[in-house]
Amino acid sequence: KAGVTQTPRYLIKTRGQQVTLSCSPISGHRSVSWYQQTPGQGLQFLFEYFSETQRNKGNFPGRFSGRQFSNSRSEMNVSTLELGDSALYLCASSLQGHSPLHFGNGTRLTVT
Amino acid sequence: GESVGLHLPTLSVQEGDNSIINCAYSNSASDYFIWYKQESGKGPQFIIDIRSNMDKRQGQRVTVLLNKTVKHLSLQIAATQPGDSAVYFCAVLNSGYSTLTFGKGTMLLVSP
Repeated sequence: KAGVTQTPRYLIKTRGQQVTLSCSPISGHRSVSWYQQTPGQGLQFLFEYFSETQRNKGNFPGRFSGRQFSNSRSEMNVSTLELGDSALYLCASSLQGHSPLHFGNGTRLTVT
Repeated sequence: GESVGLHLPTLSVQEGDNSIINCAYSNSASDYFIWYKQESGKGPQFIIDIRSNMDKRQGQRVTVLLNKTVKHLSLQIAATQPGDSAVYFCAVLNSGYSTLTFGKGTMLLVSP
C-alpha cells in the first residue's frame, strides 16, 4: 500500500507570495492532518480534515488554510508568506481518530 | 491543553546497548500515546503506540512503558543498531480527535 505522498518536496517562495501544498493520503484513510515542523518550535498542529470537513484547527493565523476533497486528498494554502513560514510542512493520514497518524516526507518551504 | 516534554535532547549509545528515551506529558486525561522515529530528510515514522488502559507494550526490539501516575512514557530499544540513529518523538493524542501534541524530540546517536 502506498504511503502518504506530498508534493512538491521543495519550494522556494518570496515574501508576500502565496503557496499551495498537496497531500495524497494512504488509500482508505479519511482523516488528513497538517503539521508545521521548525527547529525552534518542533512539530505544531495546523489543522485536521475528515470527510471534507475541518474537524480541528491549531493556533495559526488565518493566512494558513486548507481543504479536503471527496477523494480525501488535501491541500493547504499559505497566503502572504512571511520569512517565519519557512518550515517543513508535514501531512499525515489516519483511518479515524484514535489511530496512528502516518506521515509523508513533507514539503520543505523556504521563504526569502 | 497538553504539553509534552522530553528529558534529554541527545542520547549517545554504543551499538548493542539498550537505549531508553523518556517523555513526560501534562494532561492526565490523555489516553493514547505514540512514538515516532524521524530520520534526516524524512517524515516521522510510526514505531509503536499504547493506550491508557495498558502499562506496557512490546514490538520488535522496542518496548513502550506508560506510567499514568506520574504521567511518564518511555521507549526502550533493545540491542541498538546504527540504523536506529534518528530523532525520536513521543506524541500524545487529544481525546476524540486526531490532533497530536509532540514532544521536542530526542536525537539518538549510535556509534559502532
